[in-house]
Amino acid sequence: GNSVTQMEGPVTLSEEAFLTINCTYTATGYPSLFWYVQYPGEGLQLLLKATKADDKGSNKGFEATYRKETTSFHLEKGSVQVSDSAVYFCALNPLNSGNTPLVFGKGTRLSVIA
Amino acid sequence: DTEVTQTPKHLVMGMTNKKSLKCEQHMGHRAMYWYKQKAKKPPELMFVYSYEKLSINESVPSRFSPECPNSSLLNLHLHALQPEDSALYLCASSRTGNEKLFFGSGTQLSVL
Repeated sequence: GNSVTQMEGPVTLSEEAFLTINCTYTATGYPSLFWYVQYPGEGLQLLLKATKADDKGSNKGFEATYRKETTSFHLEKGSVQVSDSAVYFCALNPLNSGNTPLVFGKGTRLSVIA
Repeated sequence: DTEVTQTPKHLVMGMTNKKSLKCEQHMGHRAMYWYKQKAKKPPELMFVYSYEKLSINESVPSRFSPECPNSSLLNLHLHALQPEDSALYLCASSRTGNEKLFFGSGTQLSVL
């Protein structure tokens, strides 16, 4: 079946530290991969996505590369800020088409302290 | 306008009440979704509407009744809920053929 596994949180970092949140997936076919972010009291926002192998998604200093050989889509940021404190969800669209339900990981809570 | 608007933001209801959650988008999206999110958990899909027709029902109890009156509006009618139904209810939309989901801020529901 289709599934997403993310590293357990919470993750606590000091401002300007390097961030990695691991995400691996299992899927049949060629899924699209996403990172969504949920700030306190809000819905989810798409942070970045990649639709095929070796694609790199990037946004707001965050990056993730679609690695088919390791079935991974790890999220990285070189220098985190307090404002990056949120819950991050890795997700996949198993059929790479609209209206197909996304499969979410369990989420990783990030706390950045000044 | 790139927003999905949900009302109300907070709702407290008794187990015998009938209430409705509302969701609106004006992006021309033809797919709309209801998700349920418990604290510290990922969102769980409840329903998907595509071109105003219900296309996915993830075995949701009948005390939750979705409705899509037109392409911009999505409602979730609630009746005889249980305390374990307390959660954040998220609405989302997407342009058909585009898998990017736009989420609203949610309705925080408490069932007493």
